[in-house]
Amino acid sequence: RKEVEQDPGPFNVPEGATVAFNCTYSNSASQSFFWYRQDCRKEPKLLMSVYSSGNEDGRFTAQLNRASQYISLLIRDSKLSDSATYLCVVKVVVQKLVFGTGTRLLVSP
Amino acid sequence: EAGVAQSPRYKIIEKRQSVAFWCNPISGHATLYWYQQILGQGPKLLIQFQNNGVVDDSQLPKDRFSAERLKGVDSTLKIQPAKLEDSAVYLCASRPTGTSGYEQYFGPGTRLTVT
Repeated sequence: RKEVEQDPGPFNVPEGATVAFNCTYSNSASQSFFWYRQDCRKEPKLLMSVYSSGNEDGRFTAQLNRASQYISLLIRDSKLSDSATYLCVVKVVVQKLVFGTGTRLLVSP
Repeated sequence: EAGVAQSPRYKIIEKRQSVAFWCNPISGHATLYWYQQILGQGPKLLIQFQNNGVVDDSQLPKDRFSAERLKGVDSTLKIQPAKLEDSAVYLCASRPTGTSGYEQYFGPGTRLTVT
């Protein structure tokens, strides 16, 4: 079983739509959780951290369910510029991150 | 603030040849990482340095891959000899010391094609 599993997509949505991505992780001792964004042929960049209480950053909402070992990312009012690959990332031990395969999002006009 | 620098940006070699990649992290970042990202997959950690010491190289194929960070600043990753399956983007990342957050800052990567 992979340490971090994501649906690779692609998710094709129209502008203005709401879209949600899910991610599961296998190591119950995982400490911290993140979503990174990777544009085509670019490097990954941190989008947001994921906190147990859930957190929001503008149109983006991240949630964590430790009991189910499940992380989600919700994007509201999708923009063309949101088209990218979203990587679910888990910190399993100090300073080591494990990346999922990523979920590709395509937002169309 | 300058970002993580990597060179070359692109490299095409034949199988069984050798190749080396260079990374210069953000100034003052003690932790440096090398990742391999195969097309359609997420980055996979190859090796992690803390200053000039290796913290984790458990996923580095040591029969053909080597990496060093002799002075605790820039780093090189070498593949010798290369195989077709080594075709990937090699990403270098760094992280500052003593921060409560956990952001890693990635360089633009080196895209390696092995023919």
